[in-house]
Amino acid sequence: GENVEQHPSTLSVQEGDSAVIKCTYSDSASNYFPWYKQELGKRPQLIIDIRSNVGEKKDQRIAVTLNKTAKHFSLHITETQPEDSAVYFCAASILRTGNQFYFGTGTSLTVIP
Amino acid sequence: GAVVSQHPSRVICKSGTSVKIECRSLDFQATTMFWYRQFPKQSLMLMATSNEGSKATYEQGVEKDKFLINHASLTLSTLTVTSAHPEDSSFYICSAQRNSGANVLTFGAGSRLTVL
Repeated sequence: GENVEQHPSTLSVQEGDSAVIKCTYSDSASNYFPWYKQELGKRPQLIIDIRSNVGEKKDQRIAVTLNKTAKHFSLHITETQPEDSAVYFCAASILRTGNQFYFGTGTSLTVIP
Repeated sequence: GAVVSQHPSRVICKSGTSVKIECRSLDFQATTMFWYRQFPKQSLMLMATSNEGSKATYEQGVEKDKFLINHASLTLSTLTVTSAHPEDSSFYICSAQRNSGANVLTFGAGSRLTVL
């Protein structure tokens, strides 16, 4: 089965700096890679996703890059703000209805004002 | 946008009783729903995949007789924790996937179960 690893487990950055979270996956068949943000006590929310036919995707301060050959993908947050503080999860899946999502272990991001 | 409602958000029960948690997709049909358990400061652990009209698929190590899952309609899946014990105390989250094949997961708000 798929194995998703995520690093680092905790990350602290100064407000305005960039944050990068990295994930690797094992199953070359995986072709969909979403990122979720979970604030304390709340549900995970999809913040950005990327499919394997694309190498990079950007949405304002958030970007995701994918290296299919190396089987790794990364989340980049620029100009971080205190409200970016949360736990971030990466996931890998195969695009079809009903297929499982495999989650990374999460990264607790703290943005220091 | 897609909305998933999970109820109750918090429940406290006595050891030995059963607790039912509901997961509803409010504005879309979901052939498949997933149930996760999350321990403090840890990732989402997939417990089972709930398929409408058929038996749920449980992950290794998850007791199917302990965690009963029913997916009776395209918008509702229920998780029943039977004969709950303190070690079952946890945060349970459901997610639903649209039938359209978009592959996007939408999560419920989670249910905090405390077994006394």
